[in-house]
Amino acid sequence: EAQVTQNPRYLITVTGKKLTVTCSQNMNHEYMSWYRQDPGLGLRQIYYSMNVEVTDKGDVPEGYKVSRKEKRNFPLILESPSPNQTSLYFCASSSLTKTYEQYFGPGTRLTVT
Amino acid sequence: DAKTTQPTSMDCAEGRAANLPCNHSTISGNEYVYWYRQIHSQGPQYIIHGLKNNETNEMASLIITEDRKSSTLILPHATLRDTAVYYCIVRGIPQAAGNKLTFGGGTRVLVKP
Repeated sequence: EAQVTQNPRYLITVTGKKLTVTCSQNMNHEYMSWYRQDPGLGLRQIYYSMNVEVTDKGDVPEGYKVSRKEKRNFPLILESPSPNQTSLYFCASSSLTKTYEQYFGPGTRLTVT
Repeated sequence: DAKTTQPTSMDCAEGRAANLPCNHSTISGNEYVYWYRQIHSQGPQYIIHGLKNNETNEMASLIITEDRKSSTLILPHATLRDTAVYYCIVRGIPQAAGNKLTFGGGTRVLVKP
């Protein structure tokens, strides 16, 4: 089954404690993105990657890091989380030939206290 | 990307067709109309897209007016599982910014028994 998986699905952490949210897709997609979704602000892109070892900033990259060492994985790293990073996070992927169809993961609800 | 206007909410009876309108009067010639939906706090899901011709797939139909300034998404036989927020998006070639999706307010559709 074609899918994007994220782990963990829920996470409560404290300010400053480094964390990683994993994202993996099994569709051999070139594009992968991280978004955050907040009430009233819609979906905002954090980082994206157009292929292995190629990453770039989205609209709200401050406080986040990513890497793309393998085509299937695109982890999101919060080196020093802060309460304003409390949000619902989605990973998404799509192919170069079917960019209209993005596949989203189930989401990770992060709370930073 | 062109701005879109959708009704905030609408109700639909189970088993009936749901017609979701979207205005995009500033759409330009190379911009497509996309529809995604998001069931409560789940990852967004691609539904359909089109340029100027009407389109149909297993999920829905998309009717685009001749002047392309508006469109209607049709869910032919709404079920309770179609209760979601539906987003109409207009954008051009997505290769820039890693195929970024930007959602507006969307239409909250409630399918009632």
